[in-house]
Amino acid sequence: GQNIDQPTEMTATEGAIVQINCTYQTSGFNGLFWYQQHAGEAPTFLSYNVLDGLEEKGRFSSFLSRSKGYSYLLLKELQMKDSASYLCAVRDASGGSYIPTFGRGTSLIVHP
Amino acid sequence: SAVISQKPSRDICQRGTSLTIQCQVDSQVTMMFWYRQQPGQSLTLIATANQGSEATYESGFVIDKFPISRPNLTFSTLTVSNMSPEDSSIYLCSVEQGGAGTQYFGPGTRLTVL
Repeated sequence: GQNIDQPTEMTATEGAIVQINCTYQTSGFNGLFWYQQHAGEAPTFLSYNVLDGLEEKGRFSSFLSRSKGYSYLLLKELQMKDSASYLCAVRDASGGSYIPTFGRGTSLIVHP
Repeated sequence: SAVISQKPSRDICQRGTSLTIQCQVDSQVTMMFWYRQQPGQSLTLIATANQGSEATYESGFVIDKFPISRPNLTFSTLTVSNMSPEDSSIYLCSVEQGGAGTQYFGPGTRLTVL
């Protein structure tokens, strides 16, 4: 299976930029997903990376380096509503399954 | 993306009882998935439900404890049987959509077992 590692918690200031890292180990990498989950709500899809490089989507960007087993989610111009848990999920096709495994998530606290 | 609803949204149950959670999707999907998210933890896949076949359970989960039905392409149920306080969790259903096979989640069912 995959070993997915994310920081447990991060804090940042409104208006700032924050980078949430995710490292993973997998033998059959087949895609990496980022999800946002507000307290008491279901996860919502943010981004998908399968090739190396940066994917930009408004204030959110996601980066992938397959050789390093590394991804980050970059949040710009932070808003209070960005306070949430951010989940990194990795799909490993080596065992024949295409269902991603989720990391424990990073709880982001944005303060004024 | 598909619109997914779950019922009930939350429940408080007594030890030893069973609860059936319903998941409805607004479009036909081949596979539906059931996850558990315990307090402070990430999502753990319980099983994959395909219409017309037995559900496929992940390691640590068994059909007797978590029976699943998948009667058609838009609906599934998960039953949590003979509950104990350790079953207190959020239960989420999801579907795959798009070329990337992205998972989209229902709103979840928050279960508390006393």
